[in-house]
Amino acid sequence: DAGITQSPRHKVTETGTPVTLRCHQTENHRYMYWYRQDPGHGLRLIHYSYGVKDTDKGEVSDGYSVSRSKTEDFLLTLESATSSQTSVYFCAISDRLAVPTDTQYFGPGTRLTVL
Amino acid sequence: QQQVKQSPQSLIVQKGGISIINCAYENTAFDYFPWYQQFPGKGPALLIAIRPDVSEKKEGRFTISFNKSAKQFSLHIMDSQPGDSATYFCAANTRGSTLGRLYFGRGTQLTVWP
Repeated sequence: DAGITQSPRHKVTETGTPVTLRCHQTENHRYMYWYRQDPGHGLRLIHYSYGVKDTDKGEVSDGYSVSRSKTEDFLLTLESATSSQTSVYFCAISDRLAVPTDTQYFGPGTRLTVL
Repeated sequence: QQQVKQSPQSLIVQKGGISIINCAYENTAFDYFPWYQQFPGKGPALLIAIRPDVSEKKEGRFTISFNKSAKQFSLHIMDSQPGDSATYFCAANTRGSTLGRLYFGRGTQLTVWP
């Protein structure tokens, strides 16, 4: 998985609680992304980062926030978890200096269940 | 608005047959078209990719066909094997974009039965 780890790998939580998912990379790639994967919806971008402390929203960012204080770590926080946020969350990294490819490398995923 | 439309949603193919998955896009600024393969319990991984300066790219049993005028591209898996059973995603982006954002199709679940 290209030097990407996600933690935790599985989590069950209750509605209304805050949850933080962590993505850690050892590739020194500049770009990092958080996706959620749901049946029938494919991969949807939540937030992304193009450098330390540089982040922006994706297409499904409501209810989520992110932080990136170091190149290697990208945190996704569900401020107050809801059942609609039950999903599998993937982190991805990309080094856009690595021409000619813009390949994104994905982590193993975190399965989150909100009861 | 979905930037990349993928079909079919699911596909069942007999071993040895040809699997074909189609994608279409509207944004003419897209100039990089990768396909990702995902096995159950794993993250997606790049399978093959094409740029619009060529109409076809082949890697082993996997071929991308690209039709720039129709704004369509497709993945062909020749001699499909049970080990090819996975979910396949097409995607697109614009290399000129500073953000490297990929737009994904919704995925095709391929089952190859013996």
